[in-house]
Amino acid sequence: QKEVEQDPGPLSVPEGAIVSLNCTYSNSAFQYFMWYRQYSRKGPELLMYTYSSGNKEDGRFTAQVDKSSKYISLFIRDSQPSDSATYLCAMRMGGSQGNLIFGKGTKLSVKP
Amino acid sequence: ETGVTQTPRHLVMGMTNKKSLKCEQHLGHNAMYWYKQSAKKPLELMFVYSLEERVENNSVPSRFSPECPNSSHLFLHLHTLQPEDSALYLCASSQFAYRTGRNTIYFGEGSWLTVV
Repeated sequence: QKEVEQDPGPLSVPEGAIVSLNCTYSNSAFQYFMWYRQYSRKGPELLMYTYSSGNKEDGRFTAQVDKSSKYISLFIRDSQPSDSATYLCAMRMGGSQGNLIFGKGTKLSVKP
Repeated sequence: ETGVTQTPRHLVMGMTNKKSLKCEQHLGHNAMYWYKQSAKKPLELMFVYSLEERVENNSVPSRFSPECPNSSHLFLHLHTLQPEDSALYLCASSQFAYRTGRNTIYFGEGSWLTVV
């Protein structure tokens, strides 16, 4: 079983839709959870950062972590064409400096 | 402007060539990283440098050789690469907070490498 599973998509939605992106993981020691957004031919940029379980909201974006189910989600409300990108989930254990484990990324397309 | 600058952005090299990728971070961070991104595969950590010391080497072939002369600069020296090494190579940096364990990684734009 891979450490982090993420459906690669592609996912296509109309403008204004609510988007739900998800990752599952197997290592219960993961404590820090991140979502990165990567536009075509660009480097990933950090979108959301969450420690342990719970919700975090930033504008149109909400990150959820359910450690009991080993499941994390990113919700995008009122999606815009500019949200079209690949979304990568990433996570790591506490106390470890480098080892971010990434999902494969989900390619999202928001149609006007 | 991400605070992490990579050059060159695109590189085409033959299998017998020697080239280098360069990375500079302007964020005052204490750690730098090289990641490899290939199509349909997750980002793979290659090397980690913390305070200019290599702390991680994820079983990367010796044809990739990193160098970190100071906390702001990181190089990846390339020698006798294979076509399967063609990928996007991403440099990143972070400020590891030893007290809290927080470590947010910021990426550069990447260097697209094609080996012919």
